[in-house]
Amino acid sequence: QVQLQQWGAGLLKPAETLSLSCDVSGGSLSGYYWNWIRQPPGKGLEWIGETNSRGGTNYNPSLKSRVGISVDTSKNQFSLKLNSVTAADTAVYYCARRIDFRSAYLDYWGQGILVTVSS
Amino acid sequence: QSVLTQPPSASGTPGQRVTISCSGSSSNIGSNHVYWHQQVPGTAPKLLIYRNNQRPSGVPDRFSGSKSGTSASLAISGLRSEDEADYYCAVWDDRLSGVVFGGGTRLTVL
Repeated sequence: QVQLQQWGAGLLKPAETLSLSCDVSGGSLSGYYWNWIRQPPGKGLEWIGETNSRGGTNYNPSLKSRVGISVDTSKNQFSLKLNSVTAADTAVYYCARRIDFRSAYLDYWGQGILVTVSS
Repeated sequence: QSVLTQPPSASGTPGQRVTISCSGSSSNIGSNHVYWHQQVPGTAPKLLIYRNNQRPSGVPDRFSGSKSGTSASLAISGLRSEDEADYYCAVWDDRLSGVVFGGGTRLTVL
């Protein structure tokens, strides 16, 4: 059974860099796309971007200038960095596995981490 | 503003059948499979329907999905109190080259 376990800082000040990681257990990174999705309090889901096991990336155009997603196959882990955060970046951040080329097939999700941006 | 349009709320009484719609365009629903997720407040989303109308193992057959043109629907029959949750449709968008979600529908079981 694949499991995704997220970790990282939950409280940031404006202009700081958000940094989260997602450990994958019970399966390989190879052959899948590894995604980050966020959900502001009381709102819907927003796709942030993804990486594959070879380090290729794809980002939401609305966040592309501030986002970096990387993969570490030796640790079976992938990570998210979002720089210059503001209060609008306050959200629960989820990692998730996506399968199939050009599909929204998100079959496994992490538990989510609330990241709050406040001065 | 979401790329996919869902009604913000839906409701029904136990045992009833409820449908939730998801409207998109030719660059997303019109050309790719639709997926549905269920999210109980305070928990992570859970995959409910994949490839328009397929159920992962463990999902009751009370849940069904369909797609026609640029719209899709999720139907829940024999409504139960534990079905009270938020439901999201998701599709790959060819124009954006990424995953897009509907705004979500809060289902209340009266």
